[in-house]
Amino acid sequence: DAGVTQSPTHLIKTRGQQVTLRCSPKSGHDTVSWYQQALGQGPQFIFQYYEEEERQRGNFPDRFSGHQFPNYSSELNVNALLLGDSALYLCASSLVVLGKFMNTEAFFGQGTRLTVV
Amino acid sequence: QQPVQSPQAVILREGEDAVINCSSSKALYSVHWYRQKHGEAPVFLMILLKGGEQKGHEKISASFNEKKQQSSLYLTASQLSYSGTYFCGTESADSNYQLIWGAGTKLIIKP
Repeated sequence: DAGVTQSPTHLIKTRGQQVTLRCSPKSGHDTVSWYQQALGQGPQFIFQYYEEEERQRGNFPDRFSGHQFPNYSSELNVNALLLGDSALYLCASSLVVLGKFMNTEAFFGQGTRLTVV
Repeated sequence: QQPVQSPQAVILREGEDAVINCSSSKALYSVHWYRQKHGEAPVFLMILLKGGEQKGHEKISASFNEKKQQSSLYLTASQLSYSGTYFCGTESADSNYQLIWGAGTKLIIKP
């Protein structure tokens, strides 16, 4: 089992550009959550996808958007990049149990380190 | 609102014990604990649910005081492999059942 895989591992972009990050969940998992982690901070919840729909969203602007495909993989898109978007972006997959999204173990990918210059 | 973790950092000798605390001002549905080593993904340790249910690894113990909205993670007879940053994530109706993460507790184990 490959676990959660994210690509790319590192990325450097210029302010104003757009970026797409990708995540393949652990085999058998149907829910993907995205987090932004600044250096020395805890992860900040961006949004969660289940059944190809955004089910939950954190306090992030509309520049952050996502998508989930029928095979449960997911993309995170960020438009009009700002310097403050520089962070580690983590994807976590889990399995919905009895309609509960959050009270199950989540498996995290290694993350994508995004640097905006 | 972000849960508060304490201490911010702790340095132990191998074999010593540590307690990491997580407190919230919100009525919690669950508390999640993860450990993250430098440059690696966070790894699941434990979930504590309102009502007393716990899911986690056998060697990890934790408590959840529902009245005080506090959770503690107990690390006994620490090993070098325990080093890392420990995060608690809290889930509540107030957060619309999103996980809100604390700032982390950095644990350093010395031989």
